[in-house]
Amino acid sequence: DIVMTQTPLPLSVTPGQPAAVSCKSSQSLLRSDGKTCLYWYLQKAGEPPQLLIYEVSNRFSGVPDRFSGSGSGTDFTLKISRVEAEDVGIYYCMQCMEFPFTFGQGTQLEIK
Amino acid sequence: QLQESGPGLVKPSETLSLTCTVSGGSVSSGDHYWSWIRQPPGKGLEWIGSISYSGSTNYNPSLKSRVTISLDTSKNQFSLKLTSVTAADTAAHYCAKNMADWGQGTLVTVSS
Repeated sequence: DIVMTQTPLPLSVTPGQPAAVSCKSSQSLLRSDGKTCLYWYLQKAGEPPQLLIYEVSNRFSGVPDRFSGSGSGTDFTLKISRVEAEDVGIYYCMQCMEFPFTFGQGTQLEIK
Repeated sequence: QLQESGPGLVKPSETLSLTCTVSGGSVSSGDHYWSWIRQPPGKGLEWIGSISYSGSTNYNPSLKSRVTISLDTSKNQFSLKLTSVTAADTAAHYCAKNMADWGQGTLVTVSS
């Protein structure tokens, strides 16, 4: 199985400041079709995960443009340009390069 | 939209059965795949398995011997069966379309 490793695990940010979460995979997520199957989710308390970013850098429908994704191969980053109170929750990366799909451990973002 | 349904309590050694009802689209539409994901209380996400619009399946090897995912096109639903459950199978279970749109989830507790 592909292992997904996120850092940091807890993240404390002042509102209005930027934040970044790193996700590293144990093998390349580049598929033969040229796409890289790396997704980012945010799970708020008591809610299901909501998709933020798909295929490394594409924002899902309705996701604010303060969220952005980047990376390639095995190293990926989710950035929030200016953190807002509503961004609190657990952020997960997920690889869909091959079955079984696997998730990172989750990064808990809190507001200072 | 997706909505999970099924018993919230299952006895050890019995079978967990859940259904996901899909609205606003057909489970037999091309290029879609339908998945089940679970999350033990206070823990991270685990992909259980997926089924394509044509009915082909992929399962997590950690659960493969106990899992069956199937489509019911007449009811526009897909379902999950997990046999021989133990307390370790207690989790919130989510259904998802293309790992992008998720249901609200349903908690299944395994206890006598």
